[in-house]
Amino acid sequence: GQNIDQPTEMTATEGAIVQINCTYQTSGFNGLFWYQQHAGEAPTFLSYNVLDGLEEKGRFSSFLSRSKGYSYLLLKELQMKDSASYLCAVMDSNYQLIWGAGTKLIIKP
Amino acid sequence: GAVVSQHPSWVICKSGTSVKIECRSLDFQATTMFWYRQFPKQSLMLMATSNEGSKATYEQGVEKDKFLINHASLTLSTLTVTSAHPEDSSFYICSVRQGALGYTFGSGTRLTVV
Repeated sequence: GQNIDQPTEMTATEGAIVQINCTYQTSGFNGLFWYQQHAGEAPTFLSYNVLDGLEEKGRFSSFLSRSKGYSYLLLKELQMKDSASYLCAVMDSNYQLIWGAGTKLIIKP
Repeated sequence: GAVVSQHPSWVICKSGTSVKIECRSLDFQATTMFWYRQFPKQSLMLMATSNEGSKATYEQGVEKDKFLINHASLTLSTLTVTSAHPEDSSFYICSVRQGALGYTFGSGTRLTVV
């Protein structure tokens, strides 16, 4: 079966760095997405990785290791507005998105 | 990426009534749109894939007669929740895929059935 695992909840301090991990087992792989979702809102796109390595975009970076079925989202210089759920999603061989349950990130002052 | 408009943002309806949710691709001709449902503290669950000019493809466990999908044009797909019940209360989100990448989501519809 297809499976995406990520922690349910994480807590971090404003100004700090946090890493959200995601492991996956899917039928085929056509890339991995990270989305941010604030409560009551639709997800918004953060990053896309299809090759191994680190993609940096401002305060956010995303890493992928296809051989390990592993990705992480790294958030630096945390701000209170970063409090949200972060969803990991893998595009399978049919180009369909398989979603993780999301990681709720709580930022404390 | 594509701009997707979803309406209404929230709706409260009585049990047994039907509710229609619209999803419009404003700047992109979408032959395919996706409908998701998300219960509190849970992941997005794909309900169905809406195909322009043909029948929608429903995921296992989703009742096609209860969740009617119409994709009559390249810019509009509608989801109608028929004979809604309180257990249908959820967050419904549509999305458009532009090419191999670029999934864009509508703003979502919060449905509450009382």
